[in-house]
Amino acid sequence: QKEVEQNSGPLSVPEGAIASLNCTYSDRVSQSFFWYRQYSGKSPELIMSIYSNGDKEDGRFTAQLNKASQYVSLLIRDSQPSDSATYLCAVGYGNKLVFGAGTILRVKS
Amino acid sequence: SAVISQKPSRDICQRGTSLTIQCQVDSQVTMMFWYRQQPGQSLTLIATANQGSEATYESGFVIDKFPISRPNLTFSTLTVSNMSPEDSSIYLCSVEALYDRLYGYTFGSGTRLTVV
Repeated sequence: QKEVEQNSGPLSVPEGAIASLNCTYSDRVSQSFFWYRQYSGKSPELIMSIYSNGDKEDGRFTAQLNKASQYVSLLIRDSQPSDSATYLCAVGYGNKLVFGAGTILRVKS
Repeated sequence: SAVISQKPSRDICQRGTSLTIQCQVDSQVTMMFWYRQQPGQSLTLIATANQGSEATYESGFVIDKFPISRPNLTFSTLTVSNMSPEDSSIYLCSVEALYDRLYGYTFGSGTRLTVV
């Protein structure tokens, strides 16, 4: 059983702070990792993908992957109220994605 | 990047009836994926639809309940058959594509199904 674990939150951060979202996965064979943002009533939107160990930065987002620890994280710098959403971690196994339950992020102005 | 059109966007259906959801992609893709998101839950893969072959279903999902068609490389349908209130969910189709400089899996806007 492939599992992806996330803290459900809510994670509350003040505007301008760094939000740190974490995810662990159970199966070492995975080679692809994704972060999605989902606003209430909307479909998930891909915001980051990472395939190798280390950090990947894109604008205010940084994804971090540690395959030895089976751990992937997403940092959001300079958090804005518009970042308030559910963030889904997804792990790829071949062509299939297994999703975590999501972390609710609330950015307070 | 691929654009996915999904319809209907929402529907309210009587138990025991069936609903067919359509998914149209603006480019040819090898595989299309169907997911379910139950209220307050994350996404669960129902099946993978390949053009020219039977869909591959995940554990817990069967063809009689969720028949899928894939007549060409840009279109697929998912039918939710003999519906019960437990089928009330958001159903999403997905393809692997380039999305805003990221290569990954992008989703349609979803179909919000309520069974009464």
